[in-house]
Amino acid sequence: DAKTTQPNSMESNEEEPVHLPCNHSTISGTDYIHWYRQLPSQGPEYVIHGLTSNVNNRMASLAIAEDRKSSTLILHRATLRDAAVYYCILSTYSGGGADGLTFGKGTHLIIQP
Amino acid sequence: NAGVMQNPRHLVRRRGQEARLRCSPMKGHSHVYWYRQLPEEGLKFMVYLQKENIIDESGMPKERFSAEFPKEGPSILRIQQVVRGDSAAYFCASSPDQVYGYTFGSGTRLTVV
Repeated sequence: DAKTTQPNSMESNEEEPVHLPCNHSTISGTDYIHWYRQLPSQGPEYVIHGLTSNVNNRMASLAIAEDRKSSTLILHRATLRDAAVYYCILSTYSGGGADGLTFGKGTHLIIQP
Repeated sequence: NAGVMQNPRHLVRRRGQEARLRCSPMKGHSHVYWYRQLPEEGLKFMVYLQKENIIDESGMPKERFSAEFPKEGPSILRIQQVVRGDSAAYFCASSPDQVYGYTFGSGTRLTVV
């Protein structure tokens, strides 16, 4: 899997939007962009994934740059429960895939009340 | 529909003992993945199984570790003769196929004393 680069940590205020960046300059044309998050003492939780077009679901939005070398996960209105480590992952599969997902260190998102 | 069930949640073993970690995938999911998370590290893929078959074990240590997913019953990750370095959180994930994202369990935290 191609490598991704994320900031180690970010801080935001409750009820404000949060934009989590991810750089993936070596992405291939068939790589999907996945986002998972991990709350303290929990297993990771699927957030969203996309290939080329921006994606929206009930949890978040995914904005993908036109050249696909970067993407941004958008939490529209952060709550304290969104405090977690967010992982940006590339995979040749739209789902889990045969070779698993490669999790990096992710971004530790801190939400201030 | 229960999520991915892992047990036990916490397991303490003395050096040299065996550890057995169990994972019951979500109903209808025939793909199971095991991951390990060392303290302050990201998740590392270990093994991918379908019913009665190991599909990819490229992330499994060569010795002492084994995994199975029998026709009936949960998937088992077995660690023989545990050492302190095996202390980690072990997460299981399942999916219905390679198209959809994973659903993770809450993990088993293994402590070797």
